[in-house]
Amino acid sequence: SQTIHQWPATLVQPVGSPLSLECTVEGTSNPNLYWYRQAAGRGLQLLFYSVGIGQISSEVPQNLSASRPQDRQFILSSKKLLLSDSGFYLCAWRSGRNTEAFFGQGTRLTVV
Amino acid sequence: GQNIDQPTEMTATEGAIVQINCTYQTSGFNGLFWYQQHAGEAPTFLSYNVLDGLEEKGRFSSFLSRSKGYSYLLLKELQMKDSASYLCAPSRGQNFVFGPGTRLSVLP
Repeated sequence: SQTIHQWPATLVQPVGSPLSLECTVEGTSNPNLYWYRQAAGRGLQLLFYSVGIGQISSEVPQNLSASRPQDRQFILSSKKLLLSDSGFYLCAWRSGRNTEAFFGQGTRLTVV
Repeated sequence: GQNIDQPTEMTATEGAIVQINCTYQTSGFNGLFWYQQHAGEAPTFLSYNVLDGLEEKGRFSSFLSRSKGYSYLLLKELQMKDSASYLCAPSRGQNFVFGPGTRLSVLP
């Protein structure tokens, strides 16, 4: 069966520090991968998605970047965090455009 | 672009039936997701409708009308644990974008 892993579960980082969040999927190949952010009390905002290794689509301009160095690995990064980067970051995967999509457990990031 | 609308909050009584509506305007539409999200947790997949009509999964059913840009989630025999946010997400091409979510409170 397929599983998705995100880590860490929680993170507290100072303003101006770098960020690296990792998401990996097991039990499938060539998944579509997604990064979402949810600010406190708000809806989910699509940040990036990827349909293959090295292919990244950005939905909103921001202080973040994404990379997909391996088929089942999706990384969210920042060189310098802002206070507004605080939120609940969620990774999701699906096997194609007309299939179900499943989320990891999320990373709660607090920038102080 | 996308324009997704859901009621912000709903309240219902334990054992009752509640219908949560979602309207959308999405170019390149190819299906619609419903997710449940409890406070502080990741969303949990409920349904994915591609074709028009009603799909039933136990106490939860989801309906889609592609021509009207309309979907609803029907929850029957409500339980206290159903108190959560319910998110609709139209799928467009390879990605999917969420509506604002409906916070459902189930009262005893």
